[in-house]
Formats: sequence, structure tokens, C-alpha cells
Amino acid sequence: AQSVTQPDIHITVSEGASLELRCNYSYGATPYLFWYVQSPGQGLQLLLKYFSGDTLVQGIKGFEAEFKRSQSSFNLRKPSVHWSDAAEYFCAVGARNNFNKFYFGSGTKLNVKP
Amino acid sequence: DVKVTQSSRYLVKRTGEKVFLECVQDMDHENMFWYRQDPGLGLRLIYFSYDVKMKEKGDIPEGYSVSREKKERFSLILESASTNQTSMYLCASSDRGSAGELFFGEGSRLTVL
Repeated sequence: AQSVTQPDIHITVSEGASLELRCNYSYGATPYLFWYVQSPGQGLQLLLKYFSGDTLVQGIKGFEAEFKRSQSSFNLRKPSVHWSDAAEYFCAVGARNNFNKFYFGSGTKLNVKP
Repeated sequence: DVKVTQSSRYLVKRTGEKVFLECVQDMDHENMFWYRQDPGLGLRLIYFSYDVKMKEKGDIPEGYSVSREKKERFSLILESASTNQTSMYLCASSDRGSAGELFFGEGSRLTVL
């Protein structure tokens, strides 16, 4: 069965520190991969996506993610976190043969200490 | 700027009431979705629509119905609201040919008393 696991429910980092949010997926083939961010009281906004090609993808707000097929992972990284990055982050996979089908992880809440 | 608009940000309803959640998108997208978001459970798909008057059940359709009479509008209906439907509801849309990116509204937080 298809699934997305975000093992960290909450993460706290200091402003200026590096960040890595973990995402593992279970899927029968190589899926499309996404990271979304949800600021408090807002909908979700796309940070970045992987479809094919270079396994390191760059997104908005200085985020990047790396697709590792052997580990079924798509971890999100940022070298230096800003206070405005405090939000909830969702990893998602999409089916290549069905553009209507997405699976979301349960989310990771990021707190940023001053 | 592309936009998905959910008309009601906060609603409080009583058990047994009929509830309508409205969503409008201005991107001419074919696909529209209703998700439910609960803490620790992520987003769960209730229904989606890939064309006017077309709909398919998602993972948790029980207790919900939908309507899509116009391409830009997708409504979620709770025929008889129950307390376990208290949640955040997110509408999203996508372009059929775009391989995936979802555009979300800001959400409708529904409380059923």
C-alpha cells in the first residue's frame, strides 16, 4: 500500500541553524514527490517538487530536497533557518499514472528558537 | 496571482444541520479536491472532481457529498453534521496536464456542537 511517513512530529531548531526534515514513502514505482508548507491559519503552499532528472531539487525560500531511490526518501533541507520558517511541513507523493492521486504525510511542525 | 477561495474560514454548526462549504478557483483547472486535515493524520481526501458534474470518492467519503455544476466551483456538503466532522477542510485544484501541483485554499475550520 502507498504511504508517506514523516517520523518527526515536532522539531525545534535555533535561528541560523541548519534543518533537515525527513520523509520516507512506500510506493510501487517512482512517484512524483512534493514538499508543502502550511503557515498558521493558512492553506498549503508548494515548496518544491521532484518529477525526474537531477535528484537534488531547489525550491522557494531557500529550501532544497534530495530524492534517494535506494532509501525511498525525499528529505527537505535548509542551510540556515529563519524565524519565518516556523510552520508545518508536509511531504506528499503523487501517482505518475493518475494525476488525481496524492498521499500526504502527517506533517512536521517546525519551531524556530530566537 | 492564482487563487483558490474558500468562502467560509470559520463555521460553527449544530449536530444534524446541513452544511455547505464552497470553493472557487480562478485558474481554469479541471481537477478540484476536498481534503480533511486533522492533527497527526495529515490530509485525507474526501472527494475529487476531474470535470464538471464528475466526481469520485476519495479515502473518507462517508457522511459527505459534493457538487460541481461549474468548472470553477466545487462544493462540499455535509447532509447531517456530526461532532466527528469537526475539522479543518481544505479545497485544492490542479491542472489535469501539470503532473501534480495542488493549489490550496486557506481552509475552512468547521466546529460541530
